[in-house]
Amino acid sequence: DTAVSQTPKYLVTQMGNDKSIKCEQNLGHDTMYWYKQDSKKFLKIMFSYNNKELIINETVPNRFSPKSPDKAHLNLHINSLELGDSAVYFCASSQEVGGRDEAFFGQGTRLTVV
Amino acid sequence: GNSVTQMEGPVTLSEEAFLTINCTYTATGYPSLFWYVQYPGEGLQLLLKATKADDKGSNKGFEATYRKETTSFHLEKGSVQVSDSAVYFCALRGSNTGNQFYFGTGTSLTVIP
Repeated sequence: DTAVSQTPKYLVTQMGNDKSIKCEQNLGHDTMYWYKQDSKKFLKIMFSYNNKELIINETVPNRFSPKSPDKAHLNLHINSLELGDSAVYFCASSQEVGGRDEAFFGQGTRLTVV
Repeated sequence: GNSVTQMEGPVTLSEEAFLTINCTYTATGYPSLFWYVQYPGEGLQLLLKATKADDKGSNKGFEATYRKETTSFHLEKGSVQVSDSAVYFCALRGSNTGNQFYFGTGTSLTVIP
């Protein structure tokens, strides 16, 4: 069983469209994250949810909206896609036990905006 | 604040060479430290970790020691293989950073036969 799974793996779409990326974890973790990885492999935290509540909301355009229906799911919705949104998006999860445990990552969603 | 600085790449080594990737950190409190590896087209996988000073994390021949006095967590391997070609990320997490992880910029390693 995959611990953190995200779908789709590849997403090609036109500018201006709205798209969603889904993420699910079966590890029983309390905290989930979205990261953006650019072409130089730099990882940038976008959002963090703890027990369905937003904890971290870094400076990202408000076209990006996370949705957490329960603590096992954290979906990312993107409105009005732009060329600069092209990147790999990673979902991750961790257990909040004094904040010392590692994060588990999904396989990534490669988003290409044309 | 909290931050991680790691050696810039890319690094190219011949098979069986010795590998060191430097990582230093700045943190308040006592963070946990991690090395993650990302193979081409895949997500990040935990390679090893250390949760307190002087701990040594090890896995698949890789090692890193948590050095509080030098705020470092350098990754080493005695003899690299072609299959070790990947991007390596140093990261920290501490109880007083909330839930957030801080990642270095990644170091790309290519091992040639």
